This record gives sequence, C-alpha cells and structure tokens, in this order.
Amino acid sequence: KNEVEQSPQNLTAQEGEFITINCSYSVGISALHWLQQHPGGGIVSLFMLSSGKKKHGRLIATINIQEKHSSLHITASHPRDSAVYICAPNRSMEYGNKLVFGAGTILRVKS
Amino acid sequence: SAVISQKPSRDICQRGTSLTIQCQVDSQVTMMFWYRQQPGQSLTLIATANQGSEATYESGFVIDKFPISRPNLTFSTLTVSNMSPEDSSIYLCSADPSTDTQYFGPGTRLTVL
Repeated sequence: KNEVEQSPQNLTAQEGEFITINCSYSVGISALHWLQQHPGGGIVSLFMLSSGKKKHGRLIATINIQEKHSSLHITASHPRDSAVYICAPNRSMEYGNKLVFGAGTILRVKS
Repeated sequence: SAVISQKPSRDICQRGTSLTIQCQVDSQVTMMFWYRQQPGQSLTLIATANQGSEATYESGFVIDKFPISRPNLTFSTLTVSNMSPEDSSIYLCSADPSTDTQYFGPGTRLTVL
C-alpha cells in the first residue's frame, strides 16, 4: 500500500465548477503540503498546513490529522488552474523533514 | 520567501557520460533536497544534503551514482554518473528556509540517448 493515496488521478471540469482533490496518508507527519506543477516541470507549494483549514484566493485546503486526510478545493475553477496537484505529507525524520509524495491529480479545466 | 535556480535547465547527454546539476538558493538554508521525477511519475527523493556533512541517500540511490556536494549554505550540486536512458528524468532541488514552506527549483530536464 502506498504511503500517500490521492484521488482522483485525473479530473476534467468545466470552467466555474467546484473541484475537490483528496489525499489520505498512512504515515505520521508534522505537516502536509499541497503542490502545483504546471507543464514544463515547475513546482509551487500552494499550502503547508498542520491543522484545520487555510484559504488563499480561490483555493482552500483542509486537513484532519486524526483521520490522516486532507482535501484541496478550488472554487470557481478556471482553465489556468489546469495543472498537476500533488499532496506531499512532511515526515519528521532524525535529520530533518522529508516529503513523501502522492502520485498527483491531473486537472484539466475546460472553458 | 526563497528563490532557487538550477543549471542547466535541460540537457541531452550520451550514455556513459556524467552531468552535474547546480542548485543555487538566494538565502542561507540548512537543508537542501534533490528529487527525481521520471516521465509520468511523481517525485522521488534522492537525498538530503546538509552543509558540512555527507548527504543522506534514500533507499535505491547510492553515492557512486548520484554524488552530491554541499559546499556552503546556499549551493549544492548533484551529479548523475555513468548515465543510461533510464536516468532520463526531471531533477529538482528544493530547500526549506523556514518551517512554513518549501521552495522548489525549476528543474533540470535530462534526456539520455
């Protein structure tokens, strides 16, 4: 079983739709990142959260540490949101923090 | 925030050769990380590089194949040695300058013929 499970793997939405991407993990963590990767490879950390909920513009991320589950929501989706979204729990190790990565969700928003 | 640059951005190499990838951070950071992203796959951590000590490699990665240098708090290099087509990937470095987030370099796209 993978340490990090993301769903769905692929998602196609119409512009304006509300989108949810889910992440479940089996490891103990100190925090969790949601990353965005556009074609060409560049990665941006959208959120790092260790409890509750964070909001940035149209993006909302929630985490339930007890249930080992996190969700990323996109409200009023737009074609520019098309990207790969990666859930990355942050494991505390002896020598520092270590990210483990979900397989990613490929999101395509059509106009 | 931190800005991370990588050189080269892409390269095409012949099998059996080696390539050194440079990663520069615009601020001092304790931990730097090197990842590999094979085509169609998510990221895999290769090693963690601390300044002044040997890199810590993940299972499946060895120093002879991926030697890493970390000469100071703003710079690191990863060498991909004796390359084969299976090494064709995007290689990314990252750093966590604070406890709040982690920053990624733009990646180096390597193709081995």
